[in-house]
This record gives sequence, C-alpha cells and structure tokens, in this order.
Amino acid sequence: GAGVSQSPRYKVTKRGQDVALRCDPISGHVSLYWYRQALGQGPEFLTYFNYEAQQDKSGLPNDRFSAERPEGSISTLTIQRTEQRDSAMYRCASSLGSGRSTYNEQFFGPGTRLTVL
Amino acid sequence: AQSVTQLDSHVSVSEGTPVLLRCNYSSSYSPSLFWYVQHPNKGLQLLLKYTSAATLVKGINGFEAEFKKSETSFHLTKPSAHMSDAAEYFCVVSDNSGNTPLVFGKGTRLSVIA
Repeated sequence: GAGVSQSPRYKVTKRGQDVALRCDPISGHVSLYWYRQALGQGPEFLTYFNYEAQQDKSGLPNDRFSAERPEGSISTLTIQRTEQRDSAMYRCASSLGSGRSTYNEQFFGPGTRLTVL
Repeated sequence: AQSVTQLDSHVSVSEGTPVLLRCNYSSSYSPSLFWYVQHPNKGLQLLLKYTSAATLVKGINGFEAEFKKSETSFHLTKPSAHMSDAAEYFCVVSDNSGNTPLVFGKGTRLSVIA
C-alpha cells in the first residue's frame, strides 16, 4: 500500500505476556519512528531508526521495551512481561530521508491499540 | 530540550465562527513547528508546518498558523469553522536539523456546534 501500515490494529493481552507490534513503513523511507500515545495525551517518542541502525532509544520507558529493524524496512516493537500501564496506542511513522539540512515529513500509521488486562 | 504547551485542552465554537487554538513552544534551537490533526479512529494527519521560511503558514482545509518568535507562539487559526473540523489537534516541535523525533503537545479537542 501507499501508506504506513501497522499490525495488529488491536491487541488485547494478559499481564505478563510478551507482545510484538509490527510497522511496515512507506517503501523507500529511510527513517522509522515509534511513539506511544496514552489516552488523552499527545504521542510520546520511544525510539527511531535510520535504515537498520537504532539512532535513539532514549524514550523507551524501561528494559522490557525493545525495537529492531533488521533489514532497514519493517520494524518490530516488542514489550516483554506486559503490565497494565503499558496499555496505550502505539504509533509508527516513517520519513523519506536522513539528511540533516532538510525537513523530512513524518507519515504516521493508524496505530496499534494495546490493552493489557 | 524542546517542549510545547497547548493552552486549552478543549475549545468549543459554533459553526461558521473563527477558530483559535493556542500553542507556545520552547526550544534551544531554531525550531520546526507543526500542527497535526487526529480525527476519531483515524491516524495523525499533518495540517501545516513551519521550517524557517515564511512566518505565516497556510495548511490544508483553510487552516493557518503564524510563527511569532518574540512570543514563542504558533497559534492555529481558521476564519470559519466547519462541522468536519471537530477533532483533536496537536502542536508539535522538533529541531531544525531534519530527521529528529517530534515532541507533541497534549492536544486540544475542538468541538463545533451547529
């Protein structure tokens, strides 16, 4: 498709289970970002990649959260031993370039709504 | 460090009247500023962006925003609200170096009354 896609769109899991959220960026986009949006809040940055290299993971809340983008395209955000406080909308975005002199618009996917019971 | 403050969590206007959504920013660098809109059960859509060109920025659906450095503001306006404008609006800042994470405000929910 033409846009950023995420799967699953909805995920309900029990506390303590691991979950993997997938993001498929726009073809050819170099950069990929993960954000988390709690109810009633704006999205908050988690981590981002240029190609397959993780550039910044300062937004990951703790070591239960990890992300990878092994071939520089699809990315997976994994949450281990989920807790109820992890319930949120997880959004992925991609942008075209990695140049530092030109703004590159971030295009957002529809998000994955995670509910931890 | 960068941050944005959206001064109103909820704004309600009548259809056909002007819209003003307020945003103030803080940035150590020359910032890029954006407004995104989120309709219910939909993804985030870019309305407009300021990236150090003209200070008055025109976006989609008749929205505009003016970058005022002296006031550190980037308020979003529209002359006449339409029912379809009802949504959540986010003011966003990033540094001006290109590929960096976005910093979102908490959002302003716009209601439009018939």
